[in-house]
Amino acid sequence: EAGVAQSPRYKIIEKRQSVAFWCNPISGHATLYWYQQILGQGPKLLIQFQNNGVVDDSQLPKDRFSAERLKGVDSTLKIQPAKLEDSAVYLCASSSKGTGLQAFFGQGTRLTVV
Amino acid sequence: SQKIEQNSEALNIQEGKTATLTCNYTNYSPAYLQWYRQDPGRGPVFLLLIRENEKEKRKERLKVTFDTTLKQSLFHITASQPADSATYLCAPNRGANNLFFGTGTRLTVIP
Repeated sequence: EAGVAQSPRYKIIEKRQSVAFWCNPISGHATLYWYQQILGQGPKLLIQFQNNGVVDDSQLPKDRFSAERLKGVDSTLKIQPAKLEDSAVYLCASSSKGTGLQAFFGQGTRLTVV
Repeated sequence: SQKIEQNSEALNIQEGKTATLTCNYTNYSPAYLQWYRQDPGRGPVFLLLIRENEKEKRKERLKVTFDTTLKQSLFHITASQPADSATYLCAPNRGANNLFFGTGTRLTVIP
């Protein structure tokens, strides 16, 4: 079974530029999560999708961050414009009723804003 | 708002000893609690899930307890090995939505 795929693996941008991350969840998984993990901290939930609908985006900084999950499969997370404090690893995870409550994570995208 | 705290950012123990990690939560009542392991440069990997009506759960050398009165979970690794060195994350959650994580504890097992 293929795991959660994320790209790119690394990204370096200048502040005020825009950036997009892509996630392809495990086939058949209805739930998709995006997390931000700053070095030395636990993952912080940014947004959760159930199929193509948003379940929770209460911690998403909506003035600069946006996310979509068209057709309820893969998803993109965008930051525009980026700030220095956005430097972090962005993790995507997916789960389904069939997996119980267990989430499967991708390797993440490490973003450095300079 | 809900808060999830894990004891000490780092824990060092001698190989062969039992490692005990703590997860405390406040301001909500989770129906279940998950533990994940995260290695450097990788995403978290699921280890164990315990439900509110379960006091204890075991898997090989791992044991998890869940005390809803104390609002605390303990995660034990017995006969620890250097390969157990990683960051361990707890995630107490109410239901299928909103998978929130604690701050994490970095465990180092010294040979």
